[in-house]
Amino acid sequence: DTEVTQTPKHLVMGMTNKKSLKCEQHMGHRAMYWYKQKAKKPPELMFVYSYEKLSINESVPSRFSPECPNSSLLNLHLHALQPEDSALYLCASSQTLTPGLAINEQFFGPGTRLTVL
Amino acid sequence: DAKTTQPPSMDCAEGRAANLPCNHSTISGNEYVYWYRQIHSQGPQYIIHGLKNNETNEMASLIITEDRKSSTLILPHATLRDTAVYYCIVRAFMDSNYQLIWGAGTKLIIKP
Repeated sequence: DTEVTQTPKHLVMGMTNKKSLKCEQHMGHRAMYWYKQKAKKPPELMFVYSYEKLSINESVPSRFSPECPNSSLLNLHLHALQPEDSALYLCASSQTLTPGLAINEQFFGPGTRLTVL
Repeated sequence: DAKTTQPPSMDCAEGRAANLPCNHSTISGNEYVYWYRQIHSQGPQYIIHGLKNNETNEMASLIITEDRKSSTLILPHATLRDTAVYYCIVRAFMDSNYQLIWGAGTKLIIKP
């Protein structure tokens, strides 16, 4: 199984809502990532978890709160978002962050299309 | 700062080889070049990576110049399903971690 799944596929929320995005992988990967992608732009890294611990936070606003409850699951909790946060949110996983691994290929999910009204 | 520059778009005829260039003139000696592609409405997909030597796999070939300042991704027999945005990426060591520094991407359109 080389699949990363993300739910929901689409999400529309108001600025006062609280919602969560979910990501799951069963490849035994120990590094998981959240990216944000605006239209016609490359993905931008938001967070990286390594062995269920937050390893990288790219100065993301606190209205985005990541959580890694176990090695297969990654959540992104959303609260008080702004319309400019509307984007495609991508989850990815890789074996580890170990620098010595030459490949460290990241497997991406299909993304959640988020619209903030 | 972007470490790679790519043409914004390219066309290629179906069945021909698609050659996608990438400049990475500031790349450091231990930084790998990666290529991913993103088909419309899907997540990015890994294609190939390399450091110094040319590489080939079932999807593509990667040709890296001797000075490592540029590279070319080659899709040997392009099909309509290869229409996608292709990202040239440098894996750099930043903030105590290895990170993928994405280029702006080349939109490749395969024409019948």
